[in-house]
Amino acid sequence: QKEVEQNSGPLSVPEGAIASLNCTYSDRGSQSFFWYRQYSGKSPELIMSIYSNGDKEDGRFTAQLNKASQYVSLLIRDSQPSDSATYLCAVKSNAGKSTFGDGTTLTVKP
Amino acid sequence: KAGVTQTPRYLIKTRGQQVTLSCSPISGHRSVSWYQQTPGQGLQFLFEYFSETQRNKGNFPGRFSGRQFSNSRSEMNVSTLELGDSALYLCASSIDSLSNYGYTFGSGTRLTVV
Repeated sequence: QKEVEQNSGPLSVPEGAIASLNCTYSDRGSQSFFWYRQYSGKSPELIMSIYSNGDKEDGRFTAQLNKASQYVSLLIRDSQPSDSATYLCAVKSNAGKSTFGDGTTLTVKP
Repeated sequence: KAGVTQTPRYLIKTRGQQVTLSCSPISGHRSVSWYQQTPGQGLQFLFEYFSETQRNKGNFPGRFSGRQFSNSRSEMNVSTLELGDSALYLCASSIDSLSNYGYTFGSGTRLTVV
């Protein structure tokens, strides 16, 4: 079992729709959770971080964390073609090491 | 505020050679982590340095090594290169990896081993 698992994708949504990206992790002691966006040919960029159970909203992005279920998600509302990218879930251990999922590729169709 | 600087951007090396990659983190960031990214394996953790000490290490062979200098700049070295070492090597800068802060990545070094 991988330490961090994401929907394999690819995920395709129409412009204006809600895109839902999911991630599960195995280390119950994990404290911090992150979503990175990676455009093709570019390096990952941090877009959301969450540490407590519940929802965290930032503009069109909402991160959700459920530590009991070991589950993290990212919702993108009013999806735009510019949101087309690979989204990487990262889980940070108590030792400070971040483990990444394989990523989910999102395509937003105009 | 300057970002994370990785040099060189591209490298072509021959099997058996060694290579050194460099990373200058954001000013004030004391943690530097290195990742290898390949299409098949995704982002794989190599190691993390904080205040000149290796704090975490991934599951890579001893051919992969690194160090950090007093100004927080870091280098990673790969000796006896193999074809499978061809990858994008990413440096990730953080204030302190034990904090709740995420990473800022550099643009990466694309290594091709022929």
